[in-house]
Amino acid sequence: QVHLVESGGGVVQPGRSLRLSCVASGFNFGRYALHWVRQAPGKGLEWVAVIWHDGSKKDYGDSVKGRFTISRDNSKNTVYLQMNSLRAEDTAVYYCGRDDYGTFDYWGQGTLVTVSS
Amino acid sequence: VMTQSPLFLPVTLGRPASISCRSSRSLVSSDGNTYLNWYHQRPGHSPRRLIYEVSTRDFRVPDRFSGSGSGTDFTLKINRVEAEDAGVYYCMQGVEWPWTFGQGTKVEVK
Repeated sequence: QVHLVESGGGVVQPGRSLRLSCVASGFNFGRYALHWVRQAPGKGLEWVAVIWHDGSKKDYGDSVKGRFTISRDNSKNTVYLQMNSLRAEDTAVYYCGRDDYGTFDYWGQGTLVTVSS
Repeated sequence: VMTQSPLFLPVTLGRPASISCRSSRSLVSSDGNTYLNWYHQRPGHSPRRLIYEVSTRDFRVPDRFSGSGSGTDFTLKINRVEAEDAGVYYCMQGVEWPWTFGQGTKVEVK
């Protein structure tokens, strides 16, 4: 059974950093691209970043480009999101999602990041 | 840009419901597939996939849900709404990065 479990969220001051993790199980991790998607409180879904199955390609949403870095360790079945220079507007639940050719077929339960002084 | 309508949809239990999604560009990929998805999200839960490639229902989803459309205009239909169908519905294009979502349609079951 496919599972994605995010962790690493918490309360952080503006300008500081945080690293999120998403641990996968139940499938051949190295064959799938993984994404991060976020949802600010009471708002809709916003795509954040993607990393190719082998890490060779990455892309980012305009709102996080230059501040966030996505990476993965296929030996640990884990994808990461390094978030630097955090802003209040980065406050959101962060989900990881498995890419199955143009669709998210599985999502994690999410981890909440709150940026506040 | 993905544009959904309506943004709020009150529906009586057992009645049908329909949500529209329009894309600012064609969602037909170079491989000939159309990567339009529908997701449902209940409060406090992760989104769950309902439909992918316009009309293919996820194996976990009951057959009262159906998707249709082509090119830039798409529709999600619920045959007979049940109480558990309440929540927010999102369309999403997966044809090119960045993948983008519609604003969401809140469905209230009366």
